[in-house]
Amino acid sequence: AQTVTQSQPEMSVQEAETVTLSCTYDTSESDYYLFWYKQPPSRQMILVIRQEAYKQQNATENRFSVNFQKAAKSFSLKISDSQLGDAAMYFCAWAGGTSYGKLTFGQGTILTVHP
Amino acid sequence: DTGVSQNPRHKITKRGQNVTFRCDPISEHNRLYWYRQTLGQGPEFLTYFQNEAQLEKSRLLSDRFSAERPKGSFSTLEIQRTEQGDSAMYLCASSPPQVDTQYFGPGTRLTVL
Repeated sequence: AQTVTQSQPEMSVQEAETVTLSCTYDTSESDYYLFWYKQPPSRQMILVIRQEAYKQQNATENRFSVNFQKAAKSFSLKISDSQLGDAAMYFCAWAGGTSYGKLTFGQGTILTVHP
Repeated sequence: DTGVSQNPRHKITKRGQNVTFRCDPISEHNRLYWYRQTLGQGPEFLTYFQNEAQLEKSRLLSDRFSAERPKGSFSTLEIQRTEQGDSAMYLCASSPPQVDTQYFGPGTRLTVL
């Protein structure tokens, strides 16, 4: 079975600084996708960034970027120039190419942004 | 595009009662997923529909749970004889054909007293 592990239950960052959230996963599949989702206190899950495993280039979305290390099965999220609105629970998730796209989530990391 | 909607947003019920939740996916999204999320945890997969066909169910989905997606549009999730352990947030997500990105609704928070 696939597992996703987020080893940082909580992280904090100063506004305008950079923070990195860690995620590791375990799978025997070669074709899969990785995601970071953000869940603010209102609890609507929002997609932050998506990475296809077959792509070597790390995905980037504005201030958000990932460091995808396929051999190490690591998928960290870097948030640059942190803003107060970035405060939320962040979930790392995995979806296999043969699993109908169902997501396996990590336990989440609570990010606090200090002004 | 109004996004994924779920109703009701909150439901309080007494143990032993039946409840039904509804999810309206984004139009033209043929894939629909249900997840359950307990406080402080990541969502757990419950079931998946492609159009009207229910293609996968988690072992978490006991025989008290049933889901339908008639005509491949909206979906309902029913829980019979609710138990206190059913208290959770029930999330619905949809995705378009051939795309693996899922878009989530706001969820239905169930409290079983």
